[in-house]
Amino acid sequence: KNQVEQSPQSLIILEGKNCTLQCNYTVSPFSNLRWYKQDTGRGPVSLTIMTFSENTKSNGRYTATLDADTKQSSLHITASQLSDSASYICVVSASRGGNKLVFGAGTILRVKS
Amino acid sequence: NAGVMQNPRHLVRRRGQEARLRCSPMKGHSHVYWYRQLPEEGLKFMVYLQKENIIDESGMPKERFSAEFPKEGPSILRIQQVVRGDSAAYFCASSFYESSYNEQFFGPGTRLTVL
Repeated sequence: KNQVEQSPQSLIILEGKNCTLQCNYTVSPFSNLRWYKQDTGRGPVSLTIMTFSENTKSNGRYTATLDADTKQSSLHITASQLSDSASYICVVSASRGGNKLVFGAGTILRVKS
Repeated sequence: NAGVMQNPRHLVRRRGQEARLRCSPMKGHSHVYWYRQLPEEGLKFMVYLQKENIIDESGMPKERFSAEFPKEGPSILRIQQVVRGDSAAYFCASSFYESSYNEQFFGPGTRLTVL
């Protein structure tokens, strides 16, 4: 069964600190892995997209890593800001047609001042 | 270039009524996807449409739910005879290409509450 699991479920950090969010998946066949940011009451916004051949990709203070062998990914946020408070969702796309995405439940990040 | 638009943003229905959710994709996008998000859960794929065609509806309940994306106008997700379990946030996304690598852009969602 195609699944995406994320940890931790929620996280509280102080402004300026770094944090790392984890994602494990069992989606097959694998096409790509995405990290989305979802603010409360809004739709998800893409942060990064990585194929199996990419190990790391950055988008500003966000850096995603991918290990296709162990089927794990992480999202590292550096120098956190209050505006980083959101749900971070790991999403895996299967390469079979239809462009169906499998979503993790998300990690809720809260950045405190 | 406006993003994906959904309306209404909030919808309240009583059990047994019909709910109609609308999605206008980004300009130039002909691929539309509908997702449902239950409280405390991740988004779940429901249906994938192109103009006038349903490509994949494997995630949509067989009864009471239907979707369309007409040649003109927005995509519509219709839920007939709503039940309390239909209460959720429904998100629409659109993309330019069909390939699995392409970016899907999400709308703000419609929050359906069934009383």
